[in-house]
Amino acid sequence: AQRVTQPEKLLSVFKGAPVELKCNYSYSGSPELFWYVQYSRQRLQLLLRHISRESIKGFTADLNKGETSFHLKKPFAQEEDSAMYYCAIPLYSGAGSYQLTFGKGTKLSVIP
Amino acid sequence: ETGVTQSPTHLIKTRGQQVTLRCSSQSGHNTVSWYQQALGQGPQFIFQYYREEENGRGNFPPRFSGLQFPNYSSELNVNALELDDSALYLCASSPGTGKGKAFFGQGTRLTVV
Repeated sequence: AQRVTQPEKLLSVFKGAPVELKCNYSYSGSPELFWYVQYSRQRLQLLLRHISRESIKGFTADLNKGETSFHLKKPFAQEEDSAMYYCAIPLYSGAGSYQLTFGKGTKLSVIP
Repeated sequence: ETGVTQSPTHLIKTRGQQVTLRCSSQSGHNTVSWYQQALGQGPQFIFQYYREEENGRGNFPPRFSGLQFPNYSSELNVNALELDDSALYLCASSPGTGKGKAFFGQGTRLTVV
């Protein structure tokens, strides 16, 4: 089955420390991958997508096809990075539509 | 530009009842998807509507049904509510097929007692 796996439910780091949120995927073909974020009391929103190869709020993510991973990284964590992070992959669900399949999420807690 | 809005924000229903949740898509978006997010889980795809037709469905029973209207707003209907239907229901809109960026509403928290 095609899916994404986030092995950590909770990740705690100190402010200024590097952050790596893990995401592994199972997919036949060339996947597109996304990271979504949900800050406290806010709606789920796109953080970044791998095809854009951009850095958003200091976060980057590289698609590693050999390791089937799409880990989210930031060199220096900030308190405002505390949030739930979801890795997602769009899977074809028929009739020209795509469904986002999400991992279970990792809660990042940045300790001041 | 208005974002995705959902109503109501919270709802309590009794087992066996029926419920209707509503979603207004972002301006210019013709695709609406619905997701169920149980506590401690990631969102799970229920179905998607494109130009008023259902064009994709996840692993949910037929008692989950929906509609999309000409203005691209949408409804999610759930019949014969079960306790396990208690969850946060998210609506997301996007332009086109939904393979790209999705814009989410704030969700409706449904509690079935």
